[in-house]
Amino acid sequence: DGGITQSPKYLFRKEGQNVTLSCEQNLNHDAMYWYRQDPGQGLRLIYYSQIVNDFQKGDIAEGYSVSREKKESFPLTVTSAQKNPTAFYLCASRPGFYGYTFGSGTRLTVV
Amino acid sequence: GESVGLHLPTLSVQEGDNSIINCAYSNSASDYFIWYKQESGKGPQFIIDIRSNMDKRQGQRVTVLLNKTVKHLSLQIAATQPGDSAVYFCAENEKGQGGKLIFGQGTELSVKP
Repeated sequence: DGGITQSPKYLFRKEGQNVTLSCEQNLNHDAMYWYRQDPGQGLRLIYYSQIVNDFQKGDIAEGYSVSREKKESFPLTVTSAQKNPTAFYLCASRPGFYGYTFGSGTRLTVV
Repeated sequence: GESVGLHLPTLSVQEGDNSIINCAYSNSASDYFIWYKQESGKGPQFIIDIRSNMDKRQGQRVTVLLNKTVKHLSLQIAATQPGDSAVYFCAENEKGQGGKLIFGQGTELSVKP
């Protein structure tokens, strides 16, 4: 079955630690996106990539980094510079004009 | 910037009633709109979409209405069921913005049995 796989489902980060969230898709979509969702709130765009080896900052990119070395993969690193990383992170891909397909999310908690 | 302490609008309906969820969008140049359903702890799921050259589109138990004059989008759910309880987001595609969708705040639908 085609889809987007995010891993891990739950992730715990210690203060000052970098962590990487995985996002893989086998839908052959060119564009991929990372969103952050805080409790009771909407989706805020972190980074997006329209093609391999290219990506752009979204509205809240500070403290995050991404790479797009392969069409299928768009990992997100939450760096120690992100002071409030506890949130639900959603990855999505898009086949041109139509809507996003979302992954099932990664819940990141600072311990 | 950060938003703290916001609470989603909530719509509470009786099982079997029809639900109407509203959304105001921001850009008159937006050419495509989507409704998503998000259950707790899960990623959003596509429900229905509509292009700007249409006023209405129907799916199974759901209808989307688009009023471009007042930049308003609505989702109607017929015969609401407990399984419809979730947060519903509208999204707009702004032309020329690199394929990014702009999401609304979301509305929490609660269905009472």
